Amino acid sequence: DTGVSQDPRHKITKRGQNVTFRCDPISEHNRLYWYRQTLGQGPEFLTYFQNEAQLEKSRLLSDRFSAERPKGSFSTLEIQRTEQGDSAMYLCASSLTRGSSYNEQFFGPGTRLTVL
Amino acid sequence: DQQVKQNSPSLSVQEGRISILNCDYTNSMFDYFLWYKKYPAEGPTFLISISSIKDKNEDGRFTVFLNKSAKHLSLHIVPSQPGDSAVYFCAARGMGYSSASKIIFGSGTRLSIRP
Repeated sequence: DTGVSQDPRHKITKRGQNVTFRCDPISEHNRLYWYRQTLGQGPEFLTYFQNEAQLEKSRLLSDRFSAERPKGSFSTLEIQRTEQGDSAMYLCASSLTRGSSYNEQFFGPGTRLTVL
Repeated sequence: DQQVKQNSPSLSVQEGRISILNCDYTNSMFDYFLWYKKYPAEGPTFLISISSIKDKNEDGRFTVFLNKSAKHLSLHIVPSQPGDSAVYFCAARGMGYSSASKIIFGSGTRLSIRP
């Protein structure tokens, strides 16, 4: 399967614990995005990388959140001291950069986080 | 502030008829508008896009119409098929951003195709 993969698919944790999610993009894609989706809402942008550089972060990304893409391939999203409000689906997407037209973002299946 | 709005959380359409999903936006700086489709337990899948300089884009059974003066776009699916039952997200990309950067999504419309 050459699509975007995310691990784990589900994570249940207790409030105050740290969690880390992994995203493996489509191999030739140089851009990688993280989104968060809560019930009844569309995905909300968190951050994106071009290769290993983190180019933009949403104000939704508090200082408890950190994302990395160390070698420009897979990425990790870490949430420290989780809160119940962090419960959501975390989606990863990747795309190529080609000209100024819209370059489709391909989404992974997401990691569903439940904070008890 | 919701820049992309889908005011109908759900829509039910008979198989074979036309499905029309609507979307409104507030930011006139968007340069591309998109529709994504999402099945349960899967990530969103890109369906169709339209540039802000166009007013119509067609791809098979799917057509997107853009009315810039009204800041409104719609997705038409004809004929509707059972496999079209899914949540549809309207989305937009800002003109000021570098290409293929963040997308702003609406809250989605759940489309159900009944036999």
